[in-house]
Amino acid sequence: GAGVSQSPSNKVTEKGKDVELRCDPISGHTALYWYRQSLGQGLEFLIYFQGNSAPDKSGLPSDRFSAERTGGSVSTLTIQRTQQEDSAVYLCASSLALAPEQFFGPGTRLTVL
Amino acid sequence: KNEVEQSPQNLTAQEGEFITINCSYSVGISALHWLQQHPGGGIVSLFMLSSGKKKHGRLIATINIQEKHSSLHITASHPRDSAVYICAVMAGGNKLVFGAGTILRVKS
Repeated sequence: GAGVSQSPSNKVTEKGKDVELRCDPISGHTALYWYRQSLGQGLEFLIYFQGNSAPDKSGLPSDRFSAERTGGSVSTLTIQRTQQEDSAVYLCASSLALAPEQFFGPGTRLTVL
Repeated sequence: KNEVEQSPQNLTAQEGEFITINCSYSVGISALHWLQQHPGGGIVSLFMLSSGKKKHGRLIATINIQEKHSSLHITASHPRDSAVYICAVMAGGNKLVFGAGTILRVKS
């Protein structure tokens, strides 16, 4: 497929465990974004990558959240010591470097018990 | 006050009706997006615009930069249009700031 893919599609974990969420952007898209959609709330920005660097991390809610991108392609969002309030759908999007149009992945639904 | 305000929050329409969803924003923007999210589904970008008007099938999006306002119109609405419609603006850098969404239900 040519779209943005994310894995897993669903993740259920216990409070206190670490989780890793993966995003594969569209080939050739140098910009990559992570967003979060909590139940009953709107979408919120988490972090933005241009290539492998993250010029804007302002949306990460705490130091338990981190993200990296390697090879200018795949990105991983890691949440350490998960809390119940981390339960949400985590969405990834990608775009061409200077293009404002973003293409969204299907999301990962994270449930922290 | 949120930077992006949408109205209405919920909208129920009869099939065939003309629908308008509004979006107002309080910051300078470089682009505005209209997104569609179906229940349990992913997000699809419907329009990206920075001025004027765009049309795609039965969907029309307009933006007034001076008034900081955009509208999404759906003509001849159909039950398959039922979804959440989200307005998002690119205000600074490349990140999107989202409205709360409008839940649209079109009844047959």
